[in-house]
Amino acid sequence: EAGVTQSPTHLIKTRGQQATLRCSPISGHTSVYWYQQALGLGLQFLLWYDEGEERNRGNFPPRFSGRQFPNYSSELNVNALELEDSALYLCASSLGRADTDTQYFGPGTRLTVL
Amino acid sequence: AQSVTQPDIHITVSEGASLELRCNYSYGATPYLFWYVQSPGQGLQLLLKYFSGDTLVQGIKGFEAEFKRSQSSFNLRKPSVHWSDAAEYFCAVYSGGYNKLIFGAGTRLAVHP
Repeated sequence: EAGVTQSPTHLIKTRGQQATLRCSPISGHTSVYWYQQALGLGLQFLLWYDEGEERNRGNFPPRFSGRQFPNYSSELNVNALELEDSALYLCASSLGRADTDTQYFGPGTRLTVL
Repeated sequence: AQSVTQPDIHITVSEGASLELRCNYSYGATPYLFWYVQSPGQGLQLLLKYFSGDTLVQGIKGFEAEFKRSQSSFNLRKPSVHWSDAAEYFCAVYSGGYNKLIFGAGTRLAVHP
């Protein structure tokens, strides 16, 4: 069974540009989560999508947004990039939204903002 | 507020030695707890999880963890470390109702031959 996949592996942008990161969940999983792992800040929850709807977001500005498609894959968009957006962005998926549905992570997209 | 503390930033052990990584949590209700491992440049791999029941849980790669409610701890253990265990280890608590994981800062494990 294929795990969570993310693309691209690496992304280099300049300040002010927009970045789009993509995630495909494990087959059969309907919930997708995004986390940011920035140097010195640890792993922080960004967004949760389930059944095509945004269900929860972390303490991030509105320029971080995303969506979930009918096939449950997801896209994270970061507008007006800032230097501090440089981080590893991890996507996770779970079977559903029950408390006991474990989150499984993908390999991440490394975003570098110059 | 919910939080997870991993007191040890770096730990170095010799190959074959035993390992214990500490994790303390703050959570009002019965916690759902996880340990994940991250190899350099990789995503997170689930080692084990605790939801309820037996307080000693077994995971992959020979790891186990013990939930101690009285100490608000969920320490990860392995009886004999292999060089391939060198990685960063994250403890996390699930924040119910928000479906998000709250992670500790991580413990980086180095293994000496």
